[in-house]
Amino acid sequence: EDQVTQSPEALRLQEGESSSLNCSYTVSGLRGLFWYRQDPGKGPEFLFTLYSAGEEKEKERLKATLTKKESFLHITAPKPEDSATYLCAVQLSYQGSQGNLIFGKGTKLSVKP
Amino acid sequence: DARVTQTPRHKVTEMGQEVTMRCQPILGHNTVFWYRQTMMQGLELLAYFRNRAPLDDSGMPKDRFSAEMPDATLATLKIQPSEPRDSAVYFCASGYTKGVHTIYFGEGSWLTVV
Repeated sequence: EDQVTQSPEALRLQEGESSSLNCSYTVSGLRGLFWYRQDPGKGPEFLFTLYSAGEEKEKERLKATLTKKESFLHITAPKPEDSATYLCAVQLSYQGSQGNLIFGKGTKLSVKP
Repeated sequence: DARVTQTPRHKVTEMGQEVTMRCQPILGHNTVFWYRQTMMQGLELLAYFRNRAPLDDSGMPKDRFSAEMPDATLATLKIQPSEPRDSAVYFCASGYTKGVHTIYFGEGSWLTVV
């Protein structure tokens, strides 16, 4: 069964305290791995797509990396405005999969000033 | 900015009533998804369409949920009759199917069934 697991469920950081969020996946074939940010009362907002092991993407204080079994979202010197739930999702490659995403349950990040 | 538009944003209804949620996908996108989000289950896929044709609705309770796409600019999700366990946030998302493609989400329809 295709599965995406995120850890930790919740993470509390002090402003400036760098850390990483984990997304591990077990899928029959990976077409792409996605990171989204979701603020309370809002829809998921696209951050990154990673296609193959070894790939890295960066945006401001965020850097996403991908291996054959997991992805990390590194947050460097976070600020309170980085507080949100971060969702990881995979897009499958096997025939019949038409592009839908399988989501993890997310990591709720709180950054205190 | 192109965006997915959903209506209503909030809906409170009584058990047994019909609920219809509407979605306008991003112009040019050929794939439309309906997801449901709850605290317990997270984001779950209910149904999706490609070029307006339904591809998979296995995530929906068939007896009460239905999804349609009457034209390229409108997707609907209907619940009849609604039940308290249907209370959740319903998201519409759209994308363009070509290789790895990014899916963009609307702001959601917050449904409470009392």
